[in-house]
Amino acid sequence: GQQVMQIPQYQHVQEGEDFTTYCNSSTTLSNIQWYKQRPGGHPVFLIQLVKSGEVKKQKRLTFQFGEAKKNSSLHITATQTTDVGTYFCAGGAAGNTGKLIFGQGTTLQVKP
Amino acid sequence: DTAVSQTPKYLVTQMGNDKSIKCEQNLGHDTMYWYKQDSKKFLKIMFSYNNKELIINETVPNRFSPKSPDKAHLNLHINSLELGDSAVYFCASSQGGGAYAEQYFGPGTRLTVT
Repeated sequence: GQQVMQIPQYQHVQEGEDFTTYCNSSTTLSNIQWYKQRPGGHPVFLIQLVKSGEVKKQKRLTFQFGEAKKNSSLHITATQTTDVGTYFCAGGAAGNTGKLIFGQGTTLQVKP
Repeated sequence: DTAVSQTPKYLVTQMGNDKSIKCEQNLGHDTMYWYKQDSKKFLKIMFSYNNKELIINETVPNRFSPKSPDKAHLNLHINSLELGDSAVYFCASSQGGGAYAEQYFGPGTRLTVT
């Protein structure tokens, strides 16, 4: 079945360092969504990308959708302790039933 | 007000028992979901209902039976619980059931089977 791979699985950074997580699919995606799950919490929607090559920013967070719509990335500039959590990408396969396939998530730890 | 709520928050039970988890959303959404998150945090969709109709039914043991009495509620009943059923179960809702719909997750139910 369709899979969305996300790397790295874990990342430890010093506060102030940058962080990037990558999401890859073997098939073309119709769209990609990003969610954040704080420790002990539930996934919370961050953003959606739909267009090829699309780039969106939310303060220190930059989201990109690849030109071929098969990959995406989330980059955080100058991490803060409030960025701690697990970041999930979720891709929608073009032509499918409308199901979102979640990546395995990247867990970010930030050392103060 | 809580947008998507689940009860109970924690559930500890023995193998072979039957249990239910309830979910309610007050967002007026027409689509609801059940996800299972394992110990490695992998989120896997189990079921999805749109206007009380089952639209996504993943490869889930038939011991799991969802039920949607109305658009605002989606319950999950699990028969003959097994150790491997231990996980966090999240309910979610969205307006529209497609891949473009932003999903709102409930707080989760941590199920522990001993």
